[in-house]
Parts: sequence; structure tokens; C-alpha cells
Amino acid sequence: GQNIDQPTEMTATEGAIVQINCTYQTSGFNGLFWYQQHAGEAPTFLSYNVLDGLEEKGRFSSFLSRSKGYSYLLLKELQMKDSASYLCAVRPTDRGSTLGRLYFGRGTQLTVWP
Amino acid sequence: NAGVMQNPRHLVRRRGQEARLRCSPMKGHSHVYWYRQLPEEGLKFMVYLQKENIIDESGMPKERFSAEFPKEGPSILRIQQVVRGDSAAYFCASSGGAGGYTFGSGTRLTVV
Repeated sequence: GQNIDQPTEMTATEGAIVQINCTYQTSGFNGLFWYQQHAGEAPTFLSYNVLDGLEEKGRFSSFLSRSKGYSYLLLKELQMKDSASYLCAVRPTDRGSTLGRLYFGRGTQLTVWP
Repeated sequence: NAGVMQNPRHLVRRRGQEARLRCSPMKGHSHVYWYRQLPEEGLKFMVYLQKENIIDESGMPKERFSAEFPKEGPSILRIQQVVRGDSAAYFCASSGGAGGYTFGSGTRLTVV
């Protein structure tokens, strides 16, 4: 079966750094995704990791360790607009295809305080 | 380049009626995915389609739900004889290759 775990809620203050962890157990692995979702809106793509290591994109970075089944999303210089749900999603192996379904965690609701 | 277009944005149906949700993928994308999101829960995969083909429907309920992606026109998710438990946000995503998917704004279905 597939299992993706992430904390339900986190809080932080403006200007701070926050790390959102995600652990996963899936039948094969073909990429890990992070999405941001504001209430009532569509998820928007943040990052994609398929190899071990850190991917940096502006204020957001994502790390992957395939041997540990672990990823984190790092948000720096937090802003009020970063208050949202952050979704971790894994794509299992699908006959070598780079396409196919994603399994999502329940999301981590981040609240940024002034 | 328009994104993934879903309509309607909000849909209200009485119990027993049919709901039809539409999704037009991004230009150049030929892979469409439907997900359902219940309040306080994550996105649950329903079905993956390419033009005129259902690739993976392992997340679709066995009864009342069907999906299609015809050669011409949008992908349709059809729910027959809706019940209150079908109330949810239904998101469509499209992809053209490796990397992330692009999601539409969703259809919020309310069954009264």
C-alpha cells in the first residue's frame, strides 16, 4: 500500500524559516512533489525531486532522501501570504513511465503570524 | 496559454440527480487526471485518461461514477444519482510529460 505522512498543522512568524517534513512508503518511487494550496483554490506546483539532495527555488527549497523515504520543504523569509496548506505527493513506479497518478498526503496547514 | 479549465466552478444538485463536471487540459497536454478532495482531507486519485482511453481508473467508485476524454472536447466526470457523500471539490489536472501536473480551479459539488 501507499502511505504518506506529514504534520497536520504548523505555525511560524513572519520572516522566520519553517521546515515541513514528509515521510512516505510507496510501491516504487518515481518522484516527489510539493504543492501549495490556499483555501478554496487549486493546488499550485512548488517543487519536484526525483534524485537525492536539495533543490532550491527562490525562498523555497525541497530535499529528498530516497533511502530514508523522507522529504522536507523549507520556506525562508516567511510572508503572510505563505499561510496555506502544503501538500506532499509521491508518484510510484509505473512501468518506467514518467506519467501516472500521484498519492497525496493530507497536507500541512501553515499559519504565518505577523 | 490558458491553464487547465474546469467548469462549472460550483454545482448544486439534489439527491438522485446527475452531475457532469468538465475539464479542458492545458494546450498541448494529452493526459488528464481527476482527483476528489473532501474537507480536511488530502487529494484522492480517481482516474487517469488519455484521449479516448482510460489508463487507470483504480480510484473510481465502482458504481455511479464514470469518466471520458473524447477525441474532441473536454474530459467529463459524470456522477449519476448523486448522494450527499458525493459533496466534495473535484480537481482536474493535466500533464504533457515528466514533472509536475497543473491543476484546474476545481468544481465544488454540493448535494442537497
